[in-house]
Amino acid sequence: DTGVSQDPRHKITKRGQNVTFRCDPISEHNRLYWYRQTLGQGPEFLTYFQNEAQLEKSRLLSDRFSAERPKGSFSTLEIQRTEQGDSAMYLCASSARQSGDYTFGSGTRLTVV
Amino acid sequence: QKEVEQDPGPLSVPEGAIVSLNCTYSNSAFQYFMWYRQYSRKGPELLMYTYSSGNKEDGRFTAQVDKSSKYISLFIRDSQPSDSATYLCAIFTGNQFYFGTGTSLTVIP
Repeated sequence: DTGVSQDPRHKITKRGQNVTFRCDPISEHNRLYWYRQTLGQGPEFLTYFQNEAQLEKSRLLSDRFSAERPKGSFSTLEIQRTEQGDSAMYLCASSARQSGDYTFGSGTRLTVV
Repeated sequence: QKEVEQDPGPLSVPEGAIVSLNCTYSNSAFQYFMWYRQYSRKGPELLMYTYSSGNKEDGRFTAQVDKSSKYISLFIRDSQPSDSATYLCAIFTGNQFYFGTGTSLTVIP
């Protein structure tokens, strides 16, 4: 097992296009989180899955954002009609326990031009 | 008021110095406290994790939690140039993390 894997590592897209990111958590980790991090800031919570159920969504997750975890394994985060303000690092983290010690992936860096 | 407050620095110290990084938090119900290290263009890497007041030591790193004053600290002894990174404090509620903004640390050889 190589940890949390995110794909792609970098994505450059034109404003208005749709993008989709993928996260493969550590095997058998039932908890999965998406975070967004902008330069000079700490990660901000976006959404949380326990198995395939999306249990919590941040107000940061506008209507243009949607996340899925269809089989309780990998997850996808889609951004529709991207805006320049969506440019950020999108981080995924997973854990087997509620109490913490999450492992983060290296992130997908999105640039909207 | 933000859930977690952290001085962004930057902090620059000579090799071998003791480094002290600090955060305050707002909600006394928070239970789990972490320190993450993040290198440029990488995801955060868990350094220390504790859920109680007091000290927890791991090699050159000591995490300290004072729940009465809602204050958490990370101490790095004998700092090395390889410790140069951004250090993020994080509070975990059981459902989500709240991160500080991160403190940028540079250890000068």
